[in-house]
Amino acid sequence: SQQGEEDPQALSIQEGENATMNCSYKTSINNLQWYRQNSGRGLVHLILIRSNEREKHSGRLRVTLDTSKKSSSLLITASRAADTASYFCATEVGSGSARQLTFGSGTQLTVLP
Amino acid sequence: DTGVSQDPRHKITKRGQNVTFRCDPISEHNRLYWYRQTLGQGPEFLTYFQNEAQLEKSRLLSDRFSAERPKGSFSTLEIQRTEQGDSAMYLCASSFGTGGMSSYEQYFGPGTRLTVT
Repeated sequence: SQQGEEDPQALSIQEGENATMNCSYKTSINNLQWYRQNSGRGLVHLILIRSNEREKHSGRLRVTLDTSKKSSSLLITASRAADTASYFCATEVGSGSARQLTFGSGTQLTVLP
Repeated sequence: DTGVSQDPRHKITKRGQNVTFRCDPISEHNRLYWYRQTLGQGPEFLTYFQNEAQLEKSRLLSDRFSAERPKGSFSTLEIQRTEQGDSAMYLCASSFGTGGMSSYEQYFGPGTRLTVT
């Protein structure tokens, strides 16, 4: 089963607008990661936020994490056509050597030129 | 290219045949992961290795699936007696992680697309 669930499933915006995607999960996590996937480059890691962090920035990306609500959001500012892709959140659970990453079903983002 | 590589990129096989995929991780990474992804879904965890030890296996990994990572370098994933339901993209990823510490990000290979006819 997939712990993380992204919302919305699909999002279409104009170039230059901001895009916000949300992720909800069910159990306590070690960290939460966002990945992007398109046909040209496969799955690419975007950003990792640990359970004791609340916000993180990387370039045009801003991620928030609310462990009390078991939710995260990914904001892409000033979107570009090249941002068109599927975006997945992934939660790491487990301890010691028994850790695994569980992906959601993704948000398909389309940025229109 | 120092990224994760997978071979082959595409495999078409008939039901009942065995297939084997190979993954070469980033050389300094000690952890290696296998995932399966079907259309419209996120990757599903199958198994992972830390060095040569297989530490976790998903319930998705039936007895027909076996993975190895001899000498803690490349890994192979074998599927015996393939079924049509095995058709999917098989992804390999690697990362660095130690003992009780939380993992770092995973770097994914391009995947092997398996079609079982």
